[in-house]
Amino acid sequence: NAGVMQNPRHLVRRRGQEARLRCSPMKGHSHVYWYRQLPEEGLKFMVYLQKENIIDESGMPKERFSAEFPKEGPSILRIQQVVRGDSAAYFCASSPTDRLYTQYFGPGTRLTVL
Amino acid sequence: DAKTTQPPSMDCAEGRAANLPCNHSTISGNEYVYWYRQIHSQGPQYIIHGLKNNETNEMASLIITEDRKSSTLILPHATLRDTAVYYCIVRAGGFNKFYFGSGTKLNVKP
Repeated sequence: NAGVMQNPRHLVRRRGQEARLRCSPMKGHSHVYWYRQLPEEGLKFMVYLQKENIIDESGMPKERFSAEFPKEGPSILRIQQVVRGDSAAYFCASSPTDRLYTQYFGPGTRLTVL
Repeated sequence: DAKTTQPPSMDCAEGRAANLPCNHSTISGNEYVYWYRQIHSQGPQYIIHGLKNNETNEMASLIITEDRKSSTLILPHATLRDTAVYYCIVRAGGFNKFYFGSGTKLNVKP
């Protein structure tokens, strides 16, 4: 059973461009979470999604950030018009419905904004 | 979610037990104690969790005080591969997001 997969692992964007981060949860997991980690800091919750639904987006910045988890395909975290402050590691995690207390994390996508 | 307090760093000799403390004096009755670790910027890894009883699995043991205001994660025989940042998190079971603080950087030395 493959773990949580994220791609790309490294992403470089110039200011003003768009960044799309993809997350494929573990097989059978229908709950996806996105976290952001700035250098030398702990992870900060961004958003929690189930298939086709956003359950909790209390950690998402109000502008430029959006997330989706379609019926088919990976979850996408989209950052429009990136700024240097968006440079961070973005981690995705997934949970099975019967064990919501356990979140399995992917390897992360490291976004660098030039 | 209750706030947790952990020492910023600890050292442990390889092969010895590593005891990582966590204070959570404002924990509520329905909040669980979770431990995760992050090895060198990889994705965090679940270790163990508990409500009020002590718990043990293949990775570690979790000791929760009777008043639940503090807990200790025990790695019985630390190896160099256990060098990581260890996060203690308290969270109500019905909510799904985790709040990661600064954690404890455990350095296992040969």
